[in-house]
Amino acid sequence: KQEVTQIPAALSVPEGENLVLNCSFTDSAIYNLQWFRQDPGKGLTSLLLIQSSQREQTSGRLNASLDKSSGRSTLYIAASQPGDSATYLCAVRPTGTASKLTFGTGTRLQVTL
Amino acid sequence: DAGVTQSPTHLIKTRGQHVTLRCSPISGHKSVSWYQQVLGQGPQFIFQYYEKEERGRGNFPDRFSARQFPNYSSELNVNALLLGDSALYLCASSFLGSRTGELFFGEGSRLTVL
Repeated sequence: KQEVTQIPAALSVPEGENLVLNCSFTDSAIYNLQWFRQDPGKGLTSLLLIQSSQREQTSGRLNASLDKSSGRSTLYIAASQPGDSATYLCAVRPTGTASKLTFGTGTRLQVTL
Repeated sequence: DAGVTQSPTHLIKTRGQHVTLRCSPISGHKSVSWYQQVLGQGPQFIFQYYEKEERGRGNFPDRFSARQFPNYSSELNVNALLLGDSALYLCASSFLGSRTGELFFGEGSRLTVL
């Protein structure tokens, strides 16, 4: 059974810092890995998707990496801003399934002024 | 273009009642999935429907059911509500023919069971 763990569970940083969020998964037979952002009480916004054959993806100040063999992914946020405050979730999609994502419990990020 | 839309956004029910949640996928997407997110946890997979057929089911009791309509919209039904069914219910759509298989989520329906 796939298990996804995110560390740390919560993180508070001052504005402008670069930071790394970690995601690990137990079964390396994945099709892709997706990072989401969730604001309190809201739905999920897709940030980055990495295919199993890729090593990293970038979008603006965000960079996500994937090491499938070790079961790890990181989300790097450069020059953090207060607007980045949210919960960040990673989710893996196994091979052979269409839409069944397994999520971690998320990292709650607060960026302070 | 409209994203995934869900209704209602919030609702309150009492134990034993029935609830129906609705989802409209992004135009052109034929796959709809449902997830339950309990406060403080990551979303848990409930169902996936594609071309009006169930293609996947998570570890949820038979009180949970769903269907997909010819226009690819979907309904999630929960019978005999329990306090533990209180959660944010998320709908996601995807275009299964895409190379990436990316899922797009709606804003969710917040269900409170009293």
